[in-house]
Amino acid sequence: GEDVEQSLFLSVREGDSSVINCTYTDSSSTYLYWYKQEPGAGLQLLTYIFSNMDMKQDQRLTVLLNKKDKHLSLRIADTQTGDSAIYFCAESRNGGFKTIFGAGTRLFVKA
Amino acid sequence: DTGVSQDPRHKITKRGQNVTFRCDPISEHNRLYWYRQTLGQGPEFLTYFQNEAQLEKSRLLSDRFSAERPKGSFSTLEIQRTEQGDSAMYLCASSLGSQGRYEQYFGPGTRLTVT
Repeated sequence: GEDVEQSLFLSVREGDSSVINCTYTDSSSTYLYWYKQEPGAGLQLLTYIFSNMDMKQDQRLTVLLNKKDKHLSLRIADTQTGDSAIYFCAESRNGGFKTIFGAGTRLFVKA
Repeated sequence: DTGVSQDPRHKITKRGQNVTFRCDPISEHNRLYWYRQTLGQGPEFLTYFQNEAQLEKSRLLSDRFSAERPKGSFSTLEIQRTEQGDSAMYLCASSLGSQGRYEQYFGPGTRLTVT
């Protein structure tokens, strides 16, 4: 079946690294995404990774993919108060038309 | 490009009324998606268009819901005889859908409140 799971909350201190974890069940997933949502706003695409990759780095963001364990993580280096938001993990299969989202991880950054 | 836009941003309606939402995708994107998001949840897929063709509909999309994309550009989502359970954020997204570019870009959403 299709399911994407994330922990609900994460709290970190400003300047520390944040690691948000996600597991998915569909072994045929081809694309995996991280989105950020701030209060009252739509989803902002942060980064994505293809299933034939195991790591992608983009400035402060590092995505790690363990395809064997169906585990995806997002690391945010030097977390800032502006990073406080809900982070959604999502996956889609080849063709990318139907994307399945997790329930989101709410990140709190303490000053 | 200004990104995906949605109108209205907020809609309050009484139960039983019909409502229609509009989405304007990124101009060169040929794929358009509608999602529904309730509090504390991620977006749930409703339907998807490739150009003007509606290619997939979720079982969440009851007979009261209809979506169109008549010229392959903007799309409308209509809910007839609204119910309180329809209260949610309705999100639209678009993607290029070719050249390996399937990532979806979201609009700000339309928040529907049914009283």
